[in-house]
Amino acid sequence: RKEVEQDPGPFNVPEGATVAFNCTYSNSASQSFFWYRQDCRKEPKLLMSVYSSGNEDGRFTAQLNRASQYISLLIRDSKLSDSATYLCVVIANTNAGKSTFGDGTTLTVKP
Amino acid sequence: DAGITQSPRYKITETGRQVTLMCHQTWSHSYMFWYRQDLGHGLRLIYYSAAADITDKGEVPDGYVVSRSKTENFPLTLESATRSQTSVYFCASRGQGNTEAFFGQGTRLTVV
Repeated sequence: RKEVEQDPGPFNVPEGATVAFNCTYSNSASQSFFWYRQDCRKEPKLLMSVYSSGNEDGRFTAQLNRASQYISLLIRDSKLSDSATYLCVVIANTNAGKSTFGDGTTLTVKP
Repeated sequence: DAGITQSPRYKITETGRQVTLMCHQTWSHSYMFWYRQDLGHGLRLIYYSAAADITDKGEVPDGYVVSRSKTENFPLTLESATRSQTSVYFCASRGQGNTEAFFGQGTRLTVV
């Protein structure tokens, strides 16, 4: 079983739709969580950190559920420009400080 | 300029040749990482380093060698390139603590 798992999708949604991705992690000692965005095999870029209390950045909302060991990303009012692969990242102190990436979920927003 | 840079951006080499991919960061980040990403797949960790002179294997280290004599540099060497090592290679760095990682622009390596 992978340490970090994501539904690969693809998710195909119309513009304006709301879409949610989940990411599960297996290491209960995980402490830090992030969502990254990757466009067409370019370098991944930080989208947002995920805080215990949940956090929002414009149309994007991230949630953490420690009990069930998953994080989520909600995108409201999807834009064409949101089409990308979304990667979740987990850091656990017991893992020698490694940043462990999920394989990503691909989102395509269609007109 | 501040940041993390990789060189070369593109490289074509022949099977059996030794190839070194360079990675340089200007933030004095403690952690540095090398990932490979094959077409249609996720990132796979090759090697990482928690500090100068400290390196450790990731998921797919076979056929690769790294060194970290200086904090800012983390070169990745393919000792004898094989076609299966054709991939996009990303270097990343991260500061102390559980902070986000920053990626270089990647090196597209083709082994023929």
